[in-house]
Amino acid sequence: DTEVTQTPKHLVMGMTNKKSLKCEQHMGHRAMYWYKQKAKKPPELMFVYSYEKLSINESVPSRFSPECPNSSLLNLHLHALQPEDSALYLCASSLDLVTGSDYGYTFGSGTRLTVV
Amino acid sequence: LAKTTQPISMDSYEGQEVNITCSHNNIATNDYITWYQQFPSQGPRFIIQGYKTKVTNEVASLFIPADRKSSTLSLPRVSLSDTAVYYCLVVGGTNAGKSTFGDGTTLTVKP
Repeated sequence: DTEVTQTPKHLVMGMTNKKSLKCEQHMGHRAMYWYKQKAKKPPELMFVYSYEKLSINESVPSRFSPECPNSSLLNLHLHALQPEDSALYLCASSLDLVTGSDYGYTFGSGTRLTVV
Repeated sequence: LAKTTQPISMDSYEGQEVNITCSHNNIATNDYITWYQQFPSQGPRFIIQGYKTKVTNEVASLFIPADRKSSTLSLPRVSLSDTAVYYCLVVGGTNAGKSTFGDGTTLTVKP
């Protein structure tokens, strides 16, 4: 299995809702990432987990809460989002943080989030 | 963090070779250079990674000069399906995991 699977593919939520995005990989990668991408912009790093511990938090608002229950799974819990949080949320994984392998980061197809 | 600079856009025709250059002046000794391709509403896809000189795989070549302050992604004989955004990304030990995407290059391949 050489994929990163993200669910759901599309999500519409109200500003008072609580929802979660899920990301799964079975490649034995020990680093996992959340990125946010607005239309016609590059992906922006949000969080990085290394060996299931939060390694990097790029000053993301607390309405986004990451969780790494095990080495294969990464969640992003959403609460009280704003319309400007609407974006494509991408999950990625790599062998480790330094990723000296030949395969770089493996990205999922993303969750298209719309906040209404 | 190594900041990257690429041309905003490039046009090409089917069957031509395309070279996209990326500048990364403050790359560190233990950083690698990687390139990604992204289609609309999809995640970026890894193309190639290198440290120095030349790397080639089945889809592209990567040229890195001795000073490593720039790199060039070469796509041989492009087709319409190569129309996408291409990002170079510096990754590695200096700021492990904290790689920042630049603005990328939108490549448009015309028939």
